Order: sequence, then structure tokens, then C-alpha cells
Amino acid sequence: GAGVSQTPSNKVTEKGKYVELRCDPISGHTALYWYRQSLGQGPEFLIYFQGTGAADDSGLPNDRFFAVRPEGSVSTLKIQRTERGDSAVYLCASSLTRVSTDTQYFGPGTRLTVL
Amino acid sequence: AQSVAQPEDQVNVAEGNPLTVKCTYSVSGNPYLFWYVQYPNRGLQFLLKYITGDNLVKGSYGFEAEFNKSQTSFHLKKPSALVSDSALYFCAVRDTGAQKLVFGQGTRLTINP
Repeated sequence: GAGVSQTPSNKVTEKGKYVELRCDPISGHTALYWYRQSLGQGPEFLIYFQGTGAADDSGLPNDRFFAVRPEGSVSTLKIQRTERGDSAVYLCASSLTRVSTDTQYFGPGTRLTVL
Repeated sequence: AQSVAQPEDQVNVAEGNPLTVKCTYSVSGNPYLFWYVQYPNRGLQFLLKYITGDNLVKGSYGFEAEFNKSQTSFHLKKPSALVSDSALYFCAVRDTGAQKLVFGQGTRLTINP
């Protein structure tokens, strides 16, 4: 079956602009995660959804970052007033349930470049 | 708090030789351990995981990993390396009841023909 998909694959924007990054999880997966991977680093957790609700947003760096999952499937990560330091690859993952032993499957990522 | 260390930024191995990529972890509860591989401009691809039971876990593409509780390690291994194994490898840990994965900084594995 289809894996996790993310759009766009690349996004270039100017400092101060607003961007939206989309994630379409594996069908039937109830848990959805966003991570951010800076150059030369491992992914860092941003936010986790169980169903429609954000169960843990402790990794969001500040209030410019926000994410939604209104129907419990597709999720959108929203970044306001982008800064050059937001440049990174944003990865989305999904798992069948929220159980800690479940594998998280990752999408190909969106490379965000803020000029 | 959970943490993962991958002590080697780079590992170079000749094709056909065994390979090991090291990982140590720290958690407060029982660890759930994962290895992922990342090819250029691609997302993370799941290789294998340790949840409980046998300390030797077998995964995709001939990879295996050994869980060692006393040394808090979960090293990735393969008996005979292929050039196509060249990639960036990430170890990750999830604490009991936790949702997020905590990743190491990654190890770049290069297999030389």
C-alpha cells in the first residue's frame, strides 16, 4: 500500500512569509508525528496527534509553529513569520496506534528553505 | 529523559567485510529501540526494532542488532557489507509510555568496493 506522503517536496520562501506543509499518513494509522531535521542532525520531535487532537506539542519551538489534523487523517504544519533558522527538512511519520512499541513510518520530507 | 548517542560520525568498511554501527541509549523505563536508514534526499526507512525477548533482532536487508541491557547498547550489524548499504543510519529510542522517538545524530556508513 501507499506510504506516508508529504507535499511539497521542496519549499523556498522569504523571511517573514507564511508556509503550510502537508502530510498524508498511511491509511488507517491513527497516530501522526511531525519531526524536524536540521543539516547534519537527527530528527527532532515537534508534535504528535492521536486522532484529531494534538496530544503532545512540547517540541514546537515557539508560537509561530502550529499544526492541525481536523479529520484525523491529513495533517498540516503551519509556520508563521518564517525565519532563516526555520530552514530544515520537516518529516512526518505515522503509526497504526499510539502504543510505544508501534513502528513509526516516515514520509520523504519537505525541505524548507527560508531566504 | 531519553537520549541516544552514536559515537561515530563516520564508519568506513570494505565490501564483503562485517560492519558495526554503534548506539548507546538512556531511558528511565524499559527501552524500545529502533534503527532507521536514510538515503540521499529520502525519508527515514525502518530497518528493525527491539521491544522485548531475544536480544538479537533481525531486520531488513540482512541487518541485525544486538540489545545489551547492561551496556545500554543497541549496535547495528551486518555480516557482509554491500556497497549499496552506504547511507546515513539513525538509532532511536522510545521510553515506556512515550510517544516521541529520540534520535541519535546519525552515522554515515561508507562501503568501499
